[in-house]
Amino acid sequence: DVKVTQSSRYLVKRTGEKVFLECVQDMDHENMFWYRQDPGLGLRLIYFSYDVKMKEKGDIPEGYSVSREKKERFSLILESASTNQTSMYLCASSPPLTGAKNIQYFGAGTRLSVL
Amino acid sequence: ELKVEQNPLFLSMQEGKNYTIYCNYSTTSDRLYWYRQDPGKSLESLFVLLSNGAVKQEGRLMASLDTKARLSTLHITAAVHDLSATYFCAGDYTGTASKLTFGTGTRLQVTL
Repeated sequence: DVKVTQSSRYLVKRTGEKVFLECVQDMDHENMFWYRQDPGLGLRLIYFSYDVKMKEKGDIPEGYSVSREKKERFSLILESASTNQTSMYLCASSPPLTGAKNIQYFGAGTRLSVL
Repeated sequence: ELKVEQNPLFLSMQEGKNYTIYCNYSTTSDRLYWYRQDPGKSLESLFVLLSNGAVKQEGRLMASLDTKARLSTLHITAAVHDLSATYFCAGDYTGTASKLTFGTGTRLQVTL
């Protein structure tokens, strides 16, 4: 089974802090993604990476950065946390597009509260 | 830019009833996906629909795709409490084949 592990289920941080959210997958997937999930807005893509050291902006990258130094690990960084970044953050991974499928496998999520 | 809309956002239904969740998308999508999320849990893939007219079924859930109408449906037959969850549809499209665009989700509550 594919396993995507997010390092924390719950985090509470203060405004202005630098926050690191970590994600590790164990299936040697090339693609990794960070989403945030808010009620009524569904999942919105923040950043994704299709290879080590490669990254692309998603739909809402402002206020975030990412790091992918190793294939299995994808980190989301909030340089200076703000209250409007209070949300559920979901990490996902997927293999290269083969067999016409593009299934993403998700972690359990990190619920971040910024006070 | 692909946009995906789901309705309804919230659905309360009695056990034993049938209902349909609708997923409309704005431009050509190569594939259409359905995911399930239980409270406090991660998203789990349910179906991948690859072509016009595709129909997939598992248990009481059946998903279909009409690419001409840019519509996918998730039909629930004789609902049971265990189906209570949030259901998301998502599409992807040529050019950004690894990216998915998700709908807002439909929270399904099946009451006894």
